[in-house]
Amino acid sequence: NAGVTQTPKFQVLKTGQSMTLQCAQDMNHEYMSWYRQDPGMGLRLIHYSVGAGITDQGEVPNGYNVSRSTTEDFPLRLLSAAPSQTSVYFCASSRLAGASNTFYEQYFGPGTRLTVT
Amino acid sequence: AQSVTQLGSHVSVSEGALVLLRCNYSSSVPPYLFWYVQYPNQGLQLLLKYTSAATLVKGINGFEAEFKKSETSFHLTKPSAHMSDAAEYFCAVGSGGTASKLTFGTGTRLQVTL
Repeated sequence: NAGVTQTPKFQVLKTGQSMTLQCAQDMNHEYMSWYRQDPGMGLRLIHYSVGAGITDQGEVPNGYNVSRSTTEDFPLRLLSAAPSQTSVYFCASSRLAGASNTFYEQYFGPGTRLTVT
Repeated sequence: AQSVTQLGSHVSVSEGALVLLRCNYSSSVPPYLFWYVQYPNQGLQLLLKYTSAATLVKGINGFEAEFKKSETSFHLTKPSAHMSDAAEYFCAVGSGGTASKLTFGTGTRLQVTL
């Protein structure tokens, strides 16, 4: 299994440009999420999904858009890039807790380092 | 609502010394607690997790953590630090339910010196 994959690894954008960060997992996980990591702030949840066709906002959703048409893929779109979106972005996936209320560990991709100038 | 506080953004220990990284949590329901490690320019890797089966949890690479409900703590320890332990460590809390959402602390960077 490849686990969670992310592309690209690095990206430089100009203010106002749009782009899509790709995330894919091959573990058949229902839950997928996007985080951004900034120095001194840990990881903050941007958007998450509990299955194909179902997405919801996390802690810092403004300026980002997501969709989930398949179980495997969960792309993150930056609609109009701003310097404040310079960050490292991580995608993660896990099994859904479900009726058993068991909390499963999340598996992380290698990250995308984005710079907006 | 749930939150995590990690005391000390940077911790430095000598090789062979005890490692202690502190984590306190806040959760309105019985929590699920995790420690993740991030090596430079890599993603996060699970070290260990608490899911109420046992209060002392053993993880990979010789790390362990003890859940103390009375102190709302889940501190990470390792008896003897190795140079390869140098990394950033994140504590995270999940509250269960179908959302599977995690809330992360701000991280502690561990430096190991000779």
